[in-house]
This record gives sequence, C-alpha cells and structure tokens, in this order.
Amino acid sequence: AQSVTQPDIHITVSEGASLELRCNYSYGATPYLFWYVQSPGQGLQLLLKYFSGDTLVQGIKGFEAEFKRSQSSFNLRKPSVHWSDAAEYFCAVGSMNTGFQKLVFGTGTRLLVSP
Amino acid sequence: SQTIHQWPATLVQPVGSPLSLECTVEGTSNPNLYWYRQAAGRGLQLLFYSVGIGQISSEVPQNLSASRPQDRQFILSSKKLLLSDSGFYLCAWTYGGQRDTEAFFGQGTRLTVV
Repeated sequence: AQSVTQPDIHITVSEGASLELRCNYSYGATPYLFWYVQSPGQGLQLLLKYFSGDTLVQGIKGFEAEFKRSQSSFNLRKPSVHWSDAAEYFCAVGSMNTGFQKLVFGTGTRLLVSP
Repeated sequence: SQTIHQWPATLVQPVGSPLSLECTVEGTSNPNLYWYRQAAGRGLQLLFYSVGIGQISSEVPQNLSASRPQDRQFILSSKKLLLSDSGFYLCAWTYGGQRDTEAFFGQGTRLTVV
C-alpha cells in the first residue's frame, strides 16, 4: 500500500524568503503525485500534479515541485513566499487502481509566514 | 465547468443523534465520489468511495455509512453519532474511468459531536 510522509509539521518562513516543503512517498510503481493547499476551514485546492514526463512540475501561485524517483521525494518549492501563502499543505500519492484515483495523503505541513 | 457542493458547512450534533451530510457534483457525468475525514492535527483519511450508483466501498470500519442514490449525489450518514465522529468531512470527485485525474474537493463540513 502507498504512504506519504511529510516530516515537517510546522514551518515558519519570512515573507520574501524561499520555501521548500518536503514530501516522501512509498509506492511500488510509478506514482501519481499531488500537492494541495488548504486555508483554515476550507476545502483543498490543487497546486500541482505529476503523472509522467518532465520531473519538474509548475503549478499555480508560483509553486513548483520536483519528482525524484531515486529519493522517493516530491518536494514543493517557491522562490519568494507571500503572506497569503500561509496555509496547510498536503502531499498526496495516487494509487494505480483501474478506473479510479484513490489518494493517500500526508499529515500536512502548516506554513506560517512572518513579516 | 464542474462544481461540487457540500452541505451543511458546520454542524453540531448530540451524541446518539443521526447524521446526514450531502454532496452533489455538477457539470460532469459518472464521476467517482469520495468521502474523506480530517481529524485535528492529522491528514485526510479516506472513508468511502464510489465508482457508480449504488456502488460503495468502505476503507475503514466505523460508525458511518455512505450511499449514492443518484449519479452525482453522495451522502454520508450515521444512525447514532459518537464523540469520535467529530471532525472535518470533505467530499471529493474525480473523473470516472480515469487514473490520470486529480481530486476536486468540496468546502467541507465541520462536525462537532457534543
């Protein structure tokens, strides 16, 4: 069965500084990988996804992530953080079930942005 | 475009009372539907998924049940709520018959059992 580890529960970054959120997955085949963001009391919004091809994926709001098969990682990055990026971020891996997509999520990383 | 509606947004229920949360999807046909629960400080746990009307799969044993009476309607229910049922419940959908699809989430229901 697949699993996802987000080792950082909380991260604080100064506004304008760069950001990297870590994600490690466990899956026996080529994974489908996702990053979602959740504002307090809200649903999840997709930031970016990796299915195949170029291992550097661009997403919305200036985020990118790099799939590294050798490290089983899919870390999320942003070169310059804005105060509005403060939220909770979830990494997820999709299983290769026929006909449907079942996601397994990490426990999330809460991003705090300091002035 | 596709939209997903989930209601109510918040709910406070006494222990032992019934529960019904509803989710509907618009703008697509034959979606796969999901119920997730998010407990405080934890990730999202998949509770149920459905690939078609009347087809429900449960991921974890629990006090809850799900039903899909129509193609784009997914309902989460309980006959008698427990304190441990408190949490944030999220409905989601993916394109039916596809593996290379992301999940689209509703805005969630905050359930507090008192």
